[in-house]
Amino acid sequence: ILNVEQSPQSLHVQEGDSTNFTCSFPSSNFYALHWYRWETAKSPEALFVMTLNGDEKKKGRISATLNTKEGYSYLYIKGSQPEDSATYLCAFESGSRLTFGEGTQLTVNP
Amino acid sequence: KAGVTQTPRYLIKTRGQQVTLSCSPISGHRSVSWYQQTPGQGLQFLFEYFSETQRNKGNFPGRFSGRQFSNSRSEMNVSTLELGDSALYLCASRRSQNGEQYFGPGTRLTVT
Repeated sequence: ILNVEQSPQSLHVQEGDSTNFTCSFPSSNFYALHWYRWETAKSPEALFVMTLNGDEKKKGRISATLNTKEGYSYLYIKGSQPEDSATYLCAFESGSRLTFGEGTQLTVNP
Repeated sequence: KAGVTQTPRYLIKTRGQQVTLSCSPISGHRSVSWYQQTPGQGLQFLFEYFSETQRNKGNFPGRFSGRQFSNSRSEMNVSTLELGDSALYLCASRRSQNGEQYFGPGTRLTVT
């Protein structure tokens, strides 16, 4: 059974704060690491797919890094806004199968 | 470009019945994956189909089955429903392995 862990489970920040979450995953049989944002009453939305050790990706105020040798990825949000409130999921891909973590629930207070 | 669609959106069934859920992927996407989400659990992988072949299967009992048609549309079937099958069932499609997955809105199944 693959273990994908995310921390923290939940986070409350003030508007304008920068924040980061961690995803840890097995370092063997790695194919890709996915990040998703899941807002209430919506479908999960893909943020990044990363495949190479040392990968860094950025989309607006959100960025992610990947370390496949030690099995972790960080997601950073710079200058959090209330609309960033959501659950952030990471998923480890091995073969064609994605194993999801339980997510970090972010609440940004105005 | 139309997104992933799932039907029905909501369903209520009784224990022992069976149910079929449908997923239409984004045009051009040949991979369809199914997930179950229950309260307190993350997304649990059910299975993945690519070009009508099941490529991968999660740790679910044989009551859960699926198939994919030549137009890439996929169906998921659950037989002999149990109360614990009440969940949100999501499907996701993508063009290729390690590509971004695009999720549908889900089917909320309630078993009474």
